[in-house]
Amino acid sequence: DQQVKQNSPSLSVQEGRISILNCDYTNSMFDYFLWYKKYPAEGPTFLISISSIKDKNEDGRFTVFLNKSAKHLSLHIVPSQPGDSAVYFCAATQDYKLSFGAGTTVTVRA
Amino acid sequence: DTAVSQTPKYLVTQMGNDKSIKCEQNLGHDTMYWYKQDSKKFLKIMFSYNNKELIINETVPNRFSPKSPDKAHLNLHINSLELGDSAVYFCASSDTWSSTDTQYFGPGTRLTVL
Repeated sequence: DQQVKQNSPSLSVQEGRISILNCDYTNSMFDYFLWYKKYPAEGPTFLISISSIKDKNEDGRFTVFLNKSAKHLSLHIVPSQPGDSAVYFCAATQDYKLSFGAGTTVTVRA
Repeated sequence: DTAVSQTPKYLVTQMGNDKSIKCEQNLGHDTMYWYKQDSKKFLKIMFSYNNKELIINETVPNRFSPKSPDKAHLNLHINSLELGDSAVYFCASSDTWSSTDTQYFGPGTRLTVL
């Protein structure tokens, strides 16, 4: 029973344009949301997070939006760069446990 | 200098064997985790240790036994390996046992059971 869902397995975007990654969740008790980035043959690395009491958090080119009423999270990357090509995992916490989505593979085209 | 390291990186073994995966973190963190990434790519928490004490055990078969000899190490021993155990196993650590602490992941161990 997956509580965090990333319905788009892949996304292709041109360099310099915006990448928008989406994530839906079913558990209203989640209190903290995160995005992780993963390159092949490496472990996930933390990218950005947002508390359930906020609706937006920005860090450089990365912005995360939270819509609690819709149980929806999104990550905006602007402008997209070739080094952003990776798998992006949405994750959420409840009771100190981290639940992950299946990931979205982003390919940035030159 | 790798923050969270795992050995081995690849492990190929026969059904029924017993194997161990080792994890070490040099970040001085109190909390360590084991995750399993299955064929559908979901990362699922298996165990969490805080200051060498087990705090999360997510209905993992008792063939899986984690051991934390000290705060910097969390090893995973698997008895009587089954085909369904084939997956990538990730170790992670965080500063404290807190929902908001960033978890740092190791590079993963790809286990293939034949």
